[in-house]
Amino acid sequence: DAGVIQSPRHEVTEMGQEVTLRCKPISGHNSLFWYRQTMMRGLELLIYFNNNVPIDDSGMPEDRFSAKMPNASFSTLKIQPSEPRDSAVYFCASRTLGGGGETQYFGPGTRLLVL
Amino acid sequence: SQQGEEDPQALSIQEGENATMNCSYKTSINNLQWYRQNSGRGLVHLILIRSNEREKHSGRLRVTLDTSKKSSSLLITASRAADTASYFCATVQTGANSKLTFGKGITLSVRP
Repeated sequence: DAGVIQSPRHEVTEMGQEVTLRCKPISGHNSLFWYRQTMMRGLELLIYFNNNVPIDDSGMPEDRFSAKMPNASFSTLKIQPSEPRDSAVYFCASRTLGGGGETQYFGPGTRLLVL
Repeated sequence: SQQGEEDPQALSIQEGENATMNCSYKTSINNLQWYRQNSGRGLVHLILIRSNEREKHSGRLRVTLDTSKKSSSLLITASRAADTASYFCATVQTGANSKLTFGKGITLSVRP
């Protein structure tokens, strides 16, 4: 199994530009999570999906952030327009629903720098 | 908001020594999990302990849970240089379904 795949691994952009982060969960997993990690705030849950449906987006910081999961094998996190304070490492994680599948499997992350 | 708070924030030990890390949380939980993060990498699940369990072992790892004190500890025995990483506790609050809430982590350095 390839694990959770994220792209790009690194992104440098200028303030005001649109940024799209991509995630492919582990095949067969039906719950997907987006996190943001910074030194100041630690690891924060932004949004999560069960069976492609957004369940809790209370962690999404502003309307500039949006996330979609059009199918079971793909999700995007979009920031438009980006700001320097969005600089962080963004992680995607997936897991199975039910059956004791509480363990989350994390991707390698996307390191975003907004200048 | 942070549910788990780890203690200490940083720990430096000699290879072969045991490392003990603590985590406290605020609300009732379904389970508590420990994750490891190597520098520049994603988090890796280490061990899960449910609210009705008091202790679990996995290899060199031992986790305890005290729900009356709302605290957990992770013990790594006979540490190795490869154990150098950040360690996070994460809780699933009662009724929170899939949602994990992470602490800020403990940085462990194991000197060879």
